[in-house]
Amino acid sequence: DAKTTQPPSMDCAEGRAANLPCNHSTISGNEYVYWYRQIHSQGPQYIIHGLKNNETNEMASLIITEDRKSSTLILPHATLRDTAVYYCIVRVVETSGSRLTFGEGTQLTVNP
Amino acid sequence: NAGVMQNPRHLVRRRGQEARLRCSPMKGHSHVYWYRQLPEEGLKFMVYLQKENIIDESGMPKERFSAEFPKEGPSILRIQQVVRGDSAAYFCASSPVRYEQYFGPGTRLTVT
Repeated sequence: DAKTTQPPSMDCAEGRAANLPCNHSTISGNEYVYWYRQIHSQGPQYIIHGLKNNETNEMASLIITEDRKSSTLILPHATLRDTAVYYCIVRVVETSGSRLTFGEGTQLTVNP
Repeated sequence: NAGVMQNPRHLVRRRGQEARLRCSPMKGHSHVYWYRQLPEEGLKFMVYLQKENIIDESGMPKERFSAEFPKEGPSILRIQQVVRGDSAAYFCASSPVRYEQYFGPGTRLTVT
């Protein structure tokens, strides 16, 4: 799986958009970009994933650059409950499934 | 649809005892993954199973650890002769076939 680089920490004001960047310059054509988050002591929570097109769901938006070497996770209106470690993961999705390789992630702190 | 269930949530064992961690995947999910998170460290993949088969155990310690996912019943992660270094949070995830994995709340193992 391709290596990802994320800033170790970020702050965001409550109600504002949180934009979390991720670099994955060695991503291969068949690798997807996944985002998970882990709120303190809880199990990781799936947020969103994409291959090359931008994606949006009820939790977040994922913007992937045209060359696919980087992406941004956007939480449009951050709340205090969004404080968590956010992980950007790239992985090949085989028919039979595959592991997730977690890096250090970004500690997002949403401030009141 | 209930989420991934793990039990017990907290487990205390003395050195040398056995620990059994259980994971019930989401309904309809036939793929189970186990991850370990040591204190102050990131999540590390341990093993990937489908019903009655171990697909990838490259992250499992060579000794004392085993996993199974029988045709009926939950997946079991078994740690024999536990040592203090086994103290960690153990997370199980399930997926239907591919794409996103859904995590359980974890079992926190403390070895005294």
